[in-house]
Amino acid sequence: GNSVTQMEGPVTLSEEAFLTINCTYTATGYPSLFWYVQYPGEGLQLLLKATKADDKGSNKGFEATYRKETTSFHLEKGSVQVSDSAVYFCASNTNAGKSTFGDGTTLTVKP
Amino acid sequence: EPEVTQTPSHQVTQMGQEVILRCVPISNHLYFYWYRQILGQKVEFLVSFYNNEISEKSEIFDDQFSVERPDGSNFTLKIRSTKLEDSAMYFCASSVNSDEKLFFGSGTQLSVL
Repeated sequence: GNSVTQMEGPVTLSEEAFLTINCTYTATGYPSLFWYVQYPGEGLQLLLKATKADDKGSNKGFEATYRKETTSFHLEKGSVQVSDSAVYFCASNTNAGKSTFGDGTTLTVKP
Repeated sequence: EPEVTQTPSHQVTQMGQEVILRCVPISNHLYFYWYRQILGQKVEFLVSFYNNEISEKSEIFDDQFSVERPDGSNFTLKIRSTKLEDSAMYFCASSVNSDEKLFFGSGTQLSVL
């Protein structure tokens, strides 16, 4: 079946540090890949997505590239801010319609 | 940007009681979903719904659960007889197509006492 494995947290960084959260997937077919973010006390929000190999999703300074050869979709940001503190979920979506989520990685950015 | 709305935001119920969680998906979306997140755990798929019927469901979605689209706008999740382990945040989501991004509501926090 489909699965998503993402880097265990929590991750604690200082403001302006470089962020990488690893995500790898297994899937039948060619899934669409997503990063969702959950800020404290809020629901899930789509951060970025990529629908095919070599696509790069980007939003709010975050980027992730769909790497078919390594089945990965790592999330990166060059300079994090305190406001980026949240839980980040990697997810895959096949034509079956449901999304499979990773366990979530908690990011805390300190001033 | 259009939103998926969920009500109530918090629901407290006694074990064994029935609860109905309500969702209004985005109006032009055709696919509807329920997910749940037990505190500190991953987001789990419960059920997907298309063309007025369930298209897929997980092993979590047993006979105690049901979904309904009673009119053109609402999408509900009913738990017939709640158990303590049903305590979780329940997220409704909708999408235009089955392989498109999901738009999530802000969730209903269900607490079963």
